[in-house]
Amino acid sequence: QKEVEQNSGPLSVPEGAIASLNCTYSDRVSQSFFWYRQYSGKSPELIMSIYSNGDKEDGRFTAQLNKASQYVSLLIRDSQPSDSATYLCAVNIGRGSTLGRLYFGRGTQLTVWP
Amino acid sequence: EPEVTQTPSHQVTQMGQEVILRCVPISNHLYFYWYRQILGQKVEFLVSFYNNEISEKSEIFDDQFSVERPDGSNFTLKIRSTKLEDSAMYFCASSEGTVVETQYFGPGTRLLVL
Repeated sequence: QKEVEQNSGPLSVPEGAIASLNCTYSDRVSQSFFWYRQYSGKSPELIMSIYSNGDKEDGRFTAQLNKASQYVSLLIRDSQPSDSATYLCAVNIGRGSTLGRLYFGRGTQLTVWP
Repeated sequence: EPEVTQTPSHQVTQMGQEVILRCVPISNHLYFYWYRQILGQKVEFLVSFYNNEISEKSEIFDDQFSVERPDGSNFTLKIRSTKLEDSAMYFCASSEGTVVETQYFGPGTRLLVL
């Protein structure tokens, strides 16, 4: 069973703070990792993709990947109330019988209060 | 910016009826997917489609489900005889060139089976 686990939340931070979201995955050979944002009743919207160990920055967002620890995280700097949403971690093993399938975590609900 | 579109946005049907959910993937994308999300639960993979055939299907995707690319733009999901437990948001997604690349999601169809 391929699992993607996220810290359960909900996570509540004040405006301007750093929000830290974490995700672990069970399949060591996973190849690509994604963070999606999902507003209530809406579809997942891509925030970041990361394929290699280390950090990847895009504006206020930084994704961190550690394949040895099977861990991926998302940092949101200078959090804004508009960042309030559920953040989904998704993993693509990308080989064998699970080619292309994304495995999603349950999501972490983030609230940024003014 | 190109995006995945889906119709209808909402569908209400009686148990046992057939429904067809429609998607127009991003035009230069080669891989197509269907996912579903039951209210309050994870996003779950249903099926992937490449080169006019199913690449992979999950345990959810039983004989009641089928997919088709009837022309160069549309990608459909048919549920032959709907059950109450098919009530969910159904998301279509597409990705460009390889199975590990980012999947872009459509806005979803909310299906309610009565």
